[in-house]
Amino acid sequence: GIQVEQSPPDLILQEGANSTLRCNFSDSVNNLQWFHQNPWGQLINLFYIPSGTKQNGRLSATTVATERYSLLYISSSQTTDSGVYFCAASPEETSGSRLTFGEGTQLTVNP
Amino acid sequence: DADVTQTPRNRITKTGKRIMLECSQTKGHDRMYWYRQDPGLGLRLIYYSFDVKDINKGEISDGYSVSRQAQAKFSLSLESAIPNQTALYFCATRQNTGELFFGEGSRLTVL
Repeated sequence: GIQVEQSPPDLILQEGANSTLRCNFSDSVNNLQWFHQNPWGQLINLFYIPSGTKQNGRLSATTVATERYSLLYISSSQTTDSGVYFCAASPEETSGSRLTFGEGTQLTVNP
Repeated sequence: DADVTQTPRNRITKTGKRIMLECSQTKGHDRMYWYRQDPGLGLRLIYYSFDVKDINKGEISDGYSVSRQAQAKFSLSLESAIPNQTALYFCATRQNTGELFFGEGSRLTVL
């Protein structure tokens, strides 16, 4: 099946800093999503982005499908951005494809 | 109200007991999923269903069973719970290959 790898595994920032999280995937995809898991365990949808670029406030994401990677940018980080960021992808070749998750990037934003 | 509702949100039980986790959705999606998350790890797929008559095993289905009672309801059962099934369980829904949406999670502890 598809392999999804995220980097870095851990990231510690000072409030106000910018960061880039990376997701590499091993096959062509028809679905690529970014999620934020907050300290209470809830999974929040950030972006549905199988290709192209999207922005939502301080967050933006870019997926370069031909090169099999996606990037999540966090600008002017805040302590509320802390948590785990997951990338998940499903391959093109099966219409019933299920999302495979990376192991996540643990982000800590210090005040 | 949440679009994807899981019950119970927290449960403590003993080894050998039968446990059912329930999921209902108001999004009208055809596909429903059960994922498991262990501390420090990503999400792994247990079972998924494309409609009431279609049930599929995921990567870690042993020890679990599911029932799709209606388009909007998908339950996960542990027939005889064991301690290594202690985890955070998530239900999710999507329409075809579109965006995946999660419930708030059910934290299960097996003593």
